[in-house]
Amino acid sequence: DAGVTQSPTHLIKTRGQHVTLRCSPISGHKSVSWYQQVLGQGPQFIFQYYEKEERGRGNFPDRFSARQFPNYSSELNVNALLLGDSALYLCASSRGLGVEEKLFFGSGTQLSVL
Amino acid sequence: QKEVEQDPGPLSVPEGAIVSLNCTYSNSAFQYFMWYRQYSRKGPELLMYTYSSGNKEDGRFTAQVDKSSKYISLFIRDSQPSDSATYLCAMKVRGAPGGGSYIPTFGRGTSLIVHP
Repeated sequence: DAGVTQSPTHLIKTRGQHVTLRCSPISGHKSVSWYQQVLGQGPQFIFQYYEKEERGRGNFPDRFSARQFPNYSSELNVNALLLGDSALYLCASSRGLGVEEKLFFGSGTQLSVL
Repeated sequence: QKEVEQDPGPLSVPEGAIVSLNCTYSNSAFQYFMWYRQYSRKGPELLMYTYSSGNKEDGRFTAQVDKSSKYISLFIRDSQPSDSATYLCAMKVRGAPGGGSYIPTFGRGTSLIVHP
C-alpha cells in the first residue's frame, strides 16, 4: 500500500505570493493533519481534519487555511507568504481522532520563500 | 519555557553502545507519549508509544515514562549506524472542546550519530 504522499516535494516562492500544498492519505485513513517544521525544530501542529471538517487548529495566523475533500485528500493554503514561512510542511494521516491513533507522515514539501 | 524540552545534541556514540534519549515536559494534561525517528529529508516515523508510566520494550528499543517527574526516555540497545537520525519525542493533549482531536506537541529532536 502507498504511504502518505505529498506534492510538490520542493517549492520556491517570493514574499507576498500564495502557495497550495497537497496531501493524499493512506487508503482507509479519514483524518489528515498538517505540521510546519522549521530547521532544527520539531513539527508544529497547524490543522487537523476528519471527515472534511476541521477538528483542530494550532496557533497559526489566518493566512493559513486548509480543507479536506470527499476522497480524504487535503490541501494547505498559505497566503501573503513571509520569509518566516520557509519550512518543511508535513502532512500526516490517521484512521480517526482517538488519542491512540497512530500518525503516519509523508516526506513533506520543502517551501523556500525568497 | 517550552512545553516539551529536548536536548538537540548531536549525540555521537560508537556502534554497539546503549543510547539514552530524554525529554521533559511541563503540561500535566499530556496523556500519550511517543517517540519518532526522522531521517534527513524524510517525514517522522513512529517508533514507540505508550499511555502510562513505566517501561515498554520493542526489540532494541525501550520507552520509559515517569509522569510524576514529567520525564520520558528512549533507550536503544546495540546501536547501529543505521540508527543515525533525529529522534523526536511527542505527547498528545486533548484539543479544543467539541473538536474530538488530540493535538501532538513535539520536542525539537535529538540528533544521534552512531559511528562504526
